[in-house]
Amino acid sequence: DTAVSQTPKYLVTQMGNDKSIKCEQNLGHDTMYWYKQDSKKFLKIMFSYNNKELIINETVPNRFSPKSPDKAHLNLHINSLELGDSAVYFCASSRGSQGGLNTGELFFGEGSRLTVL
Amino acid sequence: KQEVTQIPAALSVPEGENLVLNCSFTDSAIYNLQWFRQDPGKGLTSLLLIQSSQREQTSGRLNASLDKSSGRSTLYIAASQPGDSATYLCAVYGSARQLTFGSGTQLTVLP
Repeated sequence: DTAVSQTPKYLVTQMGNDKSIKCEQNLGHDTMYWYKQDSKKFLKIMFSYNNKELIINETVPNRFSPKSPDKAHLNLHINSLELGDSAVYFCASSRGSQGGLNTGELFFGEGSRLTVL
Repeated sequence: KQEVTQIPAALSVPEGENLVLNCSFTDSAIYNLQWFRQDPGKGLTSLLLIQSSQREQTSGRLNASLDKSSGRSTLYIAASQPGDSATYLCAVYGSARQLTFGSGTQLTVLP
């Protein structure tokens, strides 16, 4: 049973398209995250949600919009894709506490490799 | 702004050797520090989590220490094996309520 699962694992698309990456966790965690790993393998947070509420929204173009229908899901929608969006996107979850303060381990999904042509 | 540095960037050792990976961070006001392992083309696997009140954590052949005041953590791997080859990432969770990652140490254990 996969704890944090992302789909699709690979996504190849043309510039200008709109795409979504889905994430689900079955750990009962109440905090979920999206991270971006660039070509130099550096991981940087994009968004954090606690109990469906946006906690962290780093400097990310507004073409990126997270959506959390419930505590177990955090999807990432990307509009008008650009070449620079090519990267691996990781979803993660943790058992946060009040206000989204993380006190536990983060568990990551396997990543979704996005290639924009 | 928190910055996390990992040294060395790459390390190659013969099988059986004990080794130490280093992690340093600029803001000592952290809640916890986590070590991860990433295999090529894969996600991150959590290895050890150290809360700010703790000095070290152990799991099997792995031991992680934390010196919050000096902004340092080390990951000690005993009796290294080829299967330990991977990139090891250090990440700290601080007052900004986000996990800040280092750039990783790429470890190769030679048979």
